[in-house]
Amino acid sequence: EVQLVESGGGLVQPGGSLRLSCVASGFTFSTYWMTWVRQAPGKGLEWVANIQQFGSEEYYVDSVKGRFTISRDNAKNTLYLQMNSLRAEDTAIYYCAREKGNGGNSHWGQGTLVTVSS
Amino acid sequence: DIVMTQSPDSLAVSLGERATINCKSSQSVLYSSNNKNYLAWYQHKPGQPPKLVTYWASTRESGVSDRFSGSGSGTDFTLTINNLQAEDVAIYYCQQYYSTPYTFGQGTKLEIK
Repeated sequence: EVQLVESGGGLVQPGGSLRLSCVASGFTFSTYWMTWVRQAPGKGLEWVANIQQFGSEEYYVDSVKGRFTISRDNAKNTLYLQMNSLRAEDTAIYYCAREKGNGGNSHWGQGTLVTVSS
Repeated sequence: DIVMTQSPDSLAVSLGERATINCKSSQSVLYSSNNKNYLAWYQHKPGQPPKLVTYWASTRESGVSDRFSGSGSGTDFTLTINNLQAEDVAIYYCQQYYSTPYTFGQGTKLEIK
């Protein structure tokens, strides 16, 4: 069974940093693109970033470019999101998701809440 | 960036009836080399992660009820839910994966009338 378990969320002050982790199991992690998607309180889904199987390609939404870094450790079956210079508008539930080879995100974690507030 | 616009923002449909949700992209998401539309639909219920419903605009994800069907091509797409059931109450999102950032529509809230 495919499982994705996020961790690392919490309360952080504006300008602070946080690193999210997503541990994958039940599939060959190194063969899939992986994605981070977030949902701010009362808002819709926002695609944040994705990363190629071996980390050679990364893409970001403009609002996080230069502040967030997606990475992965295939030996540990773990996806990361390093978030720096956090802003109040980064407050959201952050989901990691496995991209379906044919398109879309077929498996999702339960999400981890990031709150940016003083 | 490709802008995805859904309509309506919300709708209420009676049990057993049909629900129709529309999604329009600001540019075509049809890839000419393989004639596939890079468009997915998700169902999102409170307290749960999103669930993939269809991909390639019209291919139903494994395990999804055949009451759900996707259609459309190019820039205009539709998700149809036949014989609406109580468990279909959710927010539905379209998403293009034609080019990054893989943008979502704003969501359509589906309720029971």
